[in-house]
Amino acid sequence: GQQVMQIPQYQHVQEGEDFTTYCNSSTTLSNIQWYKQRPGGHPVFLIQLVKSGEVKKQKRLTFQFGEAKKNSSLHITATQTTDVGTYFCAGQGLYGGATNKLIFGTGTLLAVQP
Amino acid sequence: DGGITQSPKYLFRKEGQNVTLSCEQNLNHDAMYWYRQDPGQGLRLIYYSQIVNDFQKGDIAEGYSVSREKKESFPLTVTSAQKNPTAFYLCASHRAANTGELFFGEGSRLTVL
Repeated sequence: GQQVMQIPQYQHVQEGEDFTTYCNSSTTLSNIQWYKQRPGGHPVFLIQLVKSGEVKKQKRLTFQFGEAKKNSSLHITATQTTDVGTYFCAGQGLYGGATNKLIFGTGTLLAVQP
Repeated sequence: DGGITQSPKYLFRKEGQNVTLSCEQNLNHDAMYWYRQDPGQGLRLIYYSQIVNDFQKGDIAEGYSVSREKKESFPLTVTSAQKNPTAFYLCASHRAANTGELFFGEGSRLTVL
């Protein structure tokens, strides 16, 4: 079955440093989504990428979807303490209709030291 | 305000007891989902429902049951057959099945003593 792996599992940075998390799928994806979960909170949608090679930016966050639509990355420039949390990618398979479910990656926990 | 409401937020139960977690949404979404989250792990799908009176098993349905009698409501019962029920349970919804953004409730943390 489809699997989505995410690395690293945990990253500790000094405030102001950059951060990147990578997401890899065992199968080609139709789209990929990214979510952020603050400590003790629930996942909140950040963005969806659909096109091969797509790059989207949200302020200090840059999201990329690979050319083969099997991998994705989230890069945060100049981290702030408000960036603390777990970042999840979630991939949707290429084939299938309404029953095609999102598969979540294992998440990357980001800790930011002031 | 539209959203998903889960209750209770925290729940303690003894082994062997069934517990039911509530999930209500006023977003008028067709599809609803239950996920389980364990420390340091991703979200695993328990059950999902694309329409009223219909639901399907997810990846880890054993020991759980659901119902979808109303569009707004998708309660999850954790039965005594679930061998390791202590976890954080998240309810979510899509406007239509597997389309766009997934909206999550605040979660229910179940601890079995």
